[in-house]
Amino acid sequence: AQSVTQLDSHVSVSEGTPVLLRCNYSSSYSPSLFWYVQHPNKGLQLLLKYTSAATLVKGINGFEAEFKKSETSFHLTKPSAHMSDAAEYFCVVTGGYGGSQGNLIFGKGTKLSVKP
Amino acid sequence: NAGVTQTPKFRILKIGQSMTLQCAQDMNHNYMYWYRQDPGMGLKLIYYSVGAGITDKGEVPNGYNVSRSTTEDFPLRLELAAPSQTSVYFCASRNGVGTYGYTFGSGTRLTVV
Repeated sequence: AQSVTQLDSHVSVSEGTPVLLRCNYSSSYSPSLFWYVQHPNKGLQLLLKYTSAATLVKGINGFEAEFKKSETSFHLTKPSAHMSDAAEYFCVVTGGYGGSQGNLIFGKGTKLSVKP
Repeated sequence: NAGVTQTPKFRILKIGQSMTLQCAQDMNHNYMYWYRQDPGMGLKLIYYSVGAGITDKGEVPNGYNVSRSTTEDFPLRLELAAPSQTSVYFCASRNGVGTYGYTFGSGTRLTVV
């Protein structure tokens, strides 16, 4: 069965410092993995996705993630945080009910706070 | 603008009332999904559809019904609203197996009192 675990419910960084949001996954087959961002009272925006191509995936707004099969991890990073990065971030894997139909399984989310 | 449109954006229901959450997409996507998001949690799948006339249950289908009479529309029906259905509901669509271009609607915030 597919699942994702976001290791931190809340991460706080100072503006200009690096961001690391951790995600481990479990999958019985080669997964597709995503990171989504949700700003307060807003919908979901795709940051980046891994679909078995390059293991280092670059996304929007300077974010990137590295797929590490040996560690079953897909951590999200950004070299320098900006105040506008403050939001909830979800690690997502395909699978679950009707897995071949591409349903998404969401982690519980990591709230990123950015201090001035 | 192309995308997924959800209506209404906000709604307050009394216990036992019924309502339909509307979802429409204009991208000719075959696959459509309904998710709910509870406070502090990720999204959980309620129902999904792989094309007009075909629907199936997700992880948390109890208390909901869906239909898919056209490619464009995928309404979610709550028959007897309960406080446990207080949540934010997201509709999403994508255009086929193996391609993961999901598009999410902006959500419907439902409160049952």
